[in-house]
Amino acid sequence: GNSVTQMEGPVTLSEEAFLTINCTYTATGYPSLFWYVQYPGEGLQLLLKATKADDKGSNKGFEATYRKETTSFHLEKGSVQVSDSAVYFCALILTNFGNEKLTFGTGTRLTIIP
Amino acid sequence: GAVVSQHPSWVICKSGTSVKIECRSLDFQATTMFWYRQFPKQSLMLMATSNEGSKATYEQGVEKDKFLINHASLTLSTLTVTSAHPEDSSFYICSAGWQGGSTNEKLFFGSGTQLSVL
Repeated sequence: GNSVTQMEGPVTLSEEAFLTINCTYTATGYPSLFWYVQYPGEGLQLLLKATKADDKGSNKGFEATYRKETTSFHLEKGSVQVSDSAVYFCALILTNFGNEKLTFGTGTRLTIIP
Repeated sequence: GAVVSQHPSWVICKSGTSVKIECRSLDFQATTMFWYRQFPKQSLMLMATSNEGSKATYEQGVEKDKFLINHASLTLSTLTVTSAHPEDSSFYICSAGWQGGSTNEKLFFGSGTQLSVL
């Protein structure tokens, strides 16, 4: 079956540090890949996505590249801010003639300290 | 962006009681709503999918008689955990889909409900 594995948190970094949150996946076909973010007290929001190999998704300074050869979709940001503190979820959808269901990772809690 | 309101955000109940969680789409009509559950250190797992006016479709291993889902209108879906037990303690989150929700950009999530059963 399909699955997503992401690094366990919590992750604590200082402001302006470089961020990497690892995500790897297992899928029987060619999935689309996503990163969602949940800020405190809010719902999950789509952060970025990539729909095919070598695509790079980017938003708010975050980037992730769809690596088919390593089945990975690692999230990176060059300089994090306190406002980036949130829980980050990696997810995939495997289109199957309308039966599209999101498969999530466990989430990684990120805390940025000033 | 679209807003999905979910409440309560946190609930404690006694074993054997029932708990109702509401999920409302505030500024759009949600043709499809999804309910997820997350146990500690595990992934968000889809429990069921409901379309307005139809019976919910449950994922394998989810008891439909225990987790009652009602999607009576295009803006409201409820999940009732009946006869709750401590093993039902979990984080429950809903998402509302617009126009079928088949494209994930049209999926909007609530903020989740942490259920603790004593």
